[in-house]
Amino acid sequence: GEDVEQSLFLSVREGDSSVINCTYTDSSSTYLYWYKQEPGAGLQLLTYIFSNMDMKQDQRLTVLLNKKDKHLSLRIADTQTGDSAIYFCAETRGPGKSTFGDGTTLTVKP
Amino acid sequence: DTAVSQTPKYLVTQMGNDKSIKCEQNLGHDTMYWYKQDSKKFLKIMFSYNNKELIINETVPNRFSPKSPDKAHLNLHINSLELGDSAVYFCASSPVAGGPGTQYFGPGTRLTVL
Repeated sequence: GEDVEQSLFLSVREGDSSVINCTYTDSSSTYLYWYKQEPGAGLQLLTYIFSNMDMKQDQRLTVLLNKKDKHLSLRIADTQTGDSAIYFCAETRGPGKSTFGDGTTLTVKP
Repeated sequence: DTAVSQTPKYLVTQMGNDKSIKCEQNLGHDTMYWYKQDSKKFLKIMFSYNNKELIINETVPNRFSPKSPDKAHLNLHINSLELGDSAVYFCASSPVAGGPGTQYFGPGTRLTVL
């Protein structure tokens, strides 16, 4: 079946780079996403990448996709305390067929 | 101007009761979703619905049923509530099902079953 896995926790110091990793199993995934959830709020889409791309950059965010290894990563440059949140990796392979990872809690220490 | 709204924000109820959570989106999106987030923050899709198709996650008990009076609303009705139903329920919408369209999430409804 479909599976998306992430490590549950990551702690970095303010100003460092954060790298959150995700692996997925379904090779038919068409789009892969990163969502951010702040405490007490819903999820917000940060960025997404189409499966035929290998990299996407958006300001401080860099997404890398290794389709062969089914590995997705999110790099946040110059991490700030406001980046502390839960980050969800997700994939979709068709209407209503989305799977989310269990989320990585990022803690940024001053 | 809230894009996706849910009511109520908090819901506390007794085991065995029937309850509904309402969701409305004013984005003109075609597809709406319900998700369940448990106490460990794990997120699972429950339903995906557009005006043509309802897709149900097979793990969702049939006590849960989505009801859509129109394209802008997808309510979640739960029968015979159980303790394990306690969670935060998120509604979301997207312009395209399964495509790159962003899913916009509501603020969540925290359900507590006593």
